[in-house]
Amino acid sequence: KQEVTQIPAALSVPEGENLVLNCSFTDSAIYNLQWFRQDPGKGLTSLLLIQSSQREQTSGRLNASLDKSSGRSTLYIAASQPGDSATYLCAVYDDKIIFGKGTRLHILP
Amino acid sequence: DAGVTQSPTHLIKTRGQQVTLRCSPKSGHDTVSWYQQALGQGPQFIFQYYEEEERQRGNFPDRFSGHQFPNYSSELNVNALLLGDSALYLCASSQRDRGHRGYTFGSGTRLTVV
Repeated sequence: KQEVTQIPAALSVPEGENLVLNCSFTDSAIYNLQWFRQDPGKGLTSLLLIQSSQREQTSGRLNASLDKSSGRSTLYIAASQPGDSATYLCAVYDDKIIFGKGTRLHILP
Repeated sequence: DAGVTQSPTHLIKTRGQQVTLRCSPKSGHDTVSWYQQALGQGPQFIFQYYEEEERQRGNFPDRFSGHQFPNYSSELNVNALLLGDSALYLCASSQRDRGHRGYTFGSGTRLTVV
């Protein structure tokens, strides 16, 4: 049974810092991995999708990496801003999406 | 191009009642999946519909049922509501012949059971 773990559960950092969010999964036989952002009480916004043949994806200040063999992914956020405050969810695809519990990120102005 | 549309956005029901939530997938998508997200938790998979049939199901009781229509839209029905059914219900659509390369999520329906 696939399990997805996200560490840390919560993180507070001053504005401008670079930060890394971690995601691990137990079964490396995944198709894709996707990072989402969720604002309080809202739905999910897709940030980055990494296909199984890829090792990383970049969008603006965001960079996500995937190491299937070790069952790990990281989301790197450069030059953090208060608007980045949200919950970040990692999800892996086998025949359905399995989510982690998320990392609640708070950027201090 | 409209994304995934869910209705209603908020709903309050009494314990024991029944509820129906609706989802219209993104244009070009033919598969709909439903998720339940309790407060402070990640979304949990309920079931997935393709070609009007339930294809996969998560660990949810039979009180949770669904339907997919010929236009690919979908409904989630929950019978005999419990207080613990209070959650954000998310619908996601995808395109099966692309190996589900990217799911698009709706904004969700917030269900409160009192």
